[in-house]
Amino acid sequence: DAGVIQSPRHEVTEMGQEVTLRCKPISGHNSLFWYRQTMMRGLELLIYFNNNVPIDDSGMPEDRFSAKMPNASFSTLKIQPSEPRDSAVYFCASSTTRTGGNSPLHFGNGTRLTVT
Amino acid sequence: GDSVTQMEGPVTLSEEAFLTINCTYTATGYPSLFWYVQYPGEGLQLLLKATKADDKGSNKGFEATYRKETTSFHLEKGSVQVSDSAVYFCALSDPNAGKSTFGDGTTLTVKP
Repeated sequence: DAGVIQSPRHEVTEMGQEVTLRCKPISGHNSLFWYRQTMMRGLELLIYFNNNVPIDDSGMPEDRFSAKMPNASFSTLKIQPSEPRDSAVYFCASSTTRTGGNSPLHFGNGTRLTVT
Repeated sequence: GDSVTQMEGPVTLSEEAFLTINCTYTATGYPSLFWYVQYPGEGLQLLLKATKADDKGSNKGFEATYRKETTSFHLEKGSVQVSDSAVYFCALSDPNAGKSTFGDGTTLTVKP
């Protein structure tokens, strides 16, 4: 079990640039979640997918944010254009719903984004 | 909607002290309850879980009991170590909602 893999670990970019964060969930997991963590706002759910379909994107802060899951083993979170207030640690997590909702989330180690 | 309220931090203890971090929840269904731990520079990882009333989850000396009557899931450890210093998150998973709800996290620092 390789765990949830996120890339890059760190990203530093200038305001206005496009940023793409990547996630590979655990094989066999059918739910994928994108979270953002900041000191001020804590852990926020941005969007989650079930069987590659976006279920709830109500946490996406604005239209600058978009997420895709083209297949069961890959997801991206894109910010275009980026702003300094997007600076945060972004986590991807996966789980399975096949055990009836008792499955915990498995988190990646996050991408620390700094927008200058 | 679902919500989780946990004890505000930070919490600072001496090594071998007893730890309690309070957690209460509100849910419309019958959720599963979890404690996650986050070490510096890492993602959250599962510490323990309980899936139904009166279940006790335990791991690495930590324990928590699912109390439906008080809607609580308090985390306890009898003797903390410096290596337990981390941020602890209480969470619930509602099968009907398909997602988890997290508390704000409690930072624990254990001093030698």
